[in-house]
Amino acid sequence: DTGVSQNPRHKITKRGQNVTFRCDPISEHNRLYWYRQTLGQGPEFLTYFQNEAQLEKSRLLSDRFSAERPKGSFSTLEIQRTEQGDSAMYLCASSFQGLYEQYFGPGTRLTVT
Amino acid sequence: QKEVEQDPGPLSVPEGAIVSLNCTYSNSAFQYFMWYRQYSRKGPELLMYTYSSGNKEDGRFTAQVDKSSKYISLFIRDSQPSDSATYLCAWGLGGSARQLTFGSGTQLTVLP
Repeated sequence: DTGVSQNPRHKITKRGQNVTFRCDPISEHNRLYWYRQTLGQGPEFLTYFQNEAQLEKSRLLSDRFSAERPKGSFSTLEIQRTEQGDSAMYLCASSFQGLYEQYFGPGTRLTVT
Repeated sequence: QKEVEQDPGPLSVPEGAIVSLNCTYSNSAFQYFMWYRQYSRKGPELLMYTYSSGNKEDGRFTAQVDKSSKYISLFIRDSQPSDSATYLCAWGLGGSARQLTFGSGTQLTVLP
């Protein structure tokens, strides 16, 4: 399977704990995106990388959220001091340079109890 | 006013019907348009992508864009039970801006 992969697929955590998600984009895709999706809504943009550079950040990305893509390949999204409102599906997408089509992974479903 | 408005559904049709899914948008700066299909608890799957006004066809799917009216549609011909999913419209600004703005999705059920 050469699509976008995300791990873990499901994470249950207690409020106040830190969590980290991983995304592996389609190989040769130099752009990587993070989105958040809540029930009954479309995905909302969080942040975007071109290679290892983080180029856009949404105002949704509070100080408790940090994303990295250290070698321009996989990316991690960390949420510190989780809150119940962070419960959502976290989606990763990638695209090839020069093209706008974004291909999504299966998502990581976060449940904060 | 939301940037993107999408018919919420849910929509239920018999197998073989023609399905019409619709979205409107308010930001005239949007340059490209996409339709995604999302099965329950899965990631969105890209169906159609277009830059320009007019129709674009791919198999049973036709995307229609009217930039002057800020309106896009997705038509599904000969609908199948496997088409049962949530359909999301999405827009992008183009240029260096890469984020997509999504509608809230229309849930479609095709009954056998």
